[in-house]
Amino acid sequence: NAGVTQTPKFRVLKTGQSMTLLCAQDMNHEYMYWYRQDPGMGLRLIHYSVGEGTTAKGEVPDGYNVSRLKKQNFLLGLESAAPSQTSVYFCASSYRDRAYEQYFGPGTRLTVT
Amino acid sequence: RKEVEQDPGPFNVPEGATVAFNCTYSNSASQSFFWYRQDCRKEPKLLMSVYSSGNEDGRFTAQLNRASQYISLLIRDSKLSDSATYLCVSRGNTGKLIFGQGTTLQVKP
Repeated sequence: NAGVTQTPKFRVLKTGQSMTLLCAQDMNHEYMYWYRQDPGMGLRLIHYSVGEGTTAKGEVPDGYNVSRLKKQNFLLGLESAAPSQTSVYFCASSYRDRAYEQYFGPGTRLTVT
Repeated sequence: RKEVEQDPGPFNVPEGATVAFNCTYSNSASQSFFWYRQDCRKEPKLLMSVYSSGNEDGRFTAQLNRASQYISLLIRDSKLSDSATYLCVSRGNTGKLIFGQGTTLQVKP
């Protein structure tokens, strides 16, 4: 049981480049989330999904897109990276009826230069 | 103003000490509260839920005061392994979790 995995663990991008972060969970969770964590800001929700084929905006969605084509995967895309997107990105998942208990992946450290 | 506010610390305490963290929330519609723990450069993990009646789990006690809109976490007999950042979390009527910035605890031998 791998839990929640994220790919890649680290990445350096130049301004304007694009990339996709992959999140996978093997717990059959209905809900999945993408957060970013910045010093002094706490975790902030970017986008989330309550089921396969559905996504919704969180607190800070601008500059990001997501897709959930399969229940176990949740992709986060940056179309044109900006230095303000330098952050640690965490994916999480949960059961629908225990959405307060979120299981997080190990994080992706992204630097945009 | 942040919806969930915590003193970032760090709190430096000796082993065996009792330490308490407080957290305040601004949205009176928040329905439930939790403490998550995050080790250095690791992912957050749920530590415990917080109830108005109090919630105790071993050396950890969490309390909610709705009138004053604050949540507390008490750790008794601190261990070196308790060193971490403790995240205060609220859950509003939208169902989404709102995280505080975290309070860092460093337990020294």
